[in-house]
Amino acid sequence: GAVVSQHPSWVICKSGTSVKIECRSLDFQATTMFWYRQFPKKSLMLMATSNEGSKATYEQGVEKDKFLINHASLTLSTLTVTSAHPEDSSFYICSARDTPTSNNEQFFGPGTRLTVL
Amino acid sequence: AQKVTQAQTEISVVEKEDVTLDCVYETRDTTYYLFWYKQPPSGELVFLIRRNSFDEQNEISGRYSWNFQKSTSSFNFTITASQVVDSAVYFCALSEFSRDNFNKFYFGSGTKLNVKP
Repeated sequence: GAVVSQHPSWVICKSGTSVKIECRSLDFQATTMFWYRQFPKKSLMLMATSNEGSKATYEQGVEKDKFLINHASLTLSTLTVTSAHPEDSSFYICSARDTPTSNNEQFFGPGTRLTVL
Repeated sequence: AQKVTQAQTEISVVEKEDVTLDCVYETRDTTYYLFWYKQPPSGELVFLIRRNSFDEQNEISGRYSWNFQKSTSSFNFTITASQVVDSAVYFCALSEFSRDNFNKFYFGSGTKLNVKP
């Protein structure tokens, strides 16, 4: 089956630093990738949708300058949390979709747990 | 308005009991997909099932079964003879077949299932 990886699986950083999270589709080309954020004991909230080679579409309330998304290739999307603060601590999950005609299925990465001190 | 509602926040059962997790969705699209995912404490989402709006046939997979009722906009999930390993958070999700929104997912708030020995 389709495999999506995320790196790192967890990261601890100091307040004010920037953190980059990678999402890779290992055995398929992902035309669209999604980034979700999950607070403890809460649901997954979609942050943005990115299509390869174009700008990401952010959900309402998500700061574009805070959460930079780059989808430069068909197998890699990155999320950079800029000037991270403790309130950015969360579980970030990416997902990828191969073609627009697939069964709307998304393949999820294992998640990255970010802790900002 | 919330597109996917999982009214049960948390359910506790004793091993070998049957348990049903409820999911009610809302959409104006005639073509859509419904999903169930399991999220164990590790955080990684485990895909359980996908059902499209034109297939109302109920499905059984081992101890798992799903009841899709378009008339009531529900897609309920039943675990028969529950086991401790079934303890996790279960998410129901809706994806509308709309090219404008890149088929993004709408997740329910999740139901935490505790299976006690």
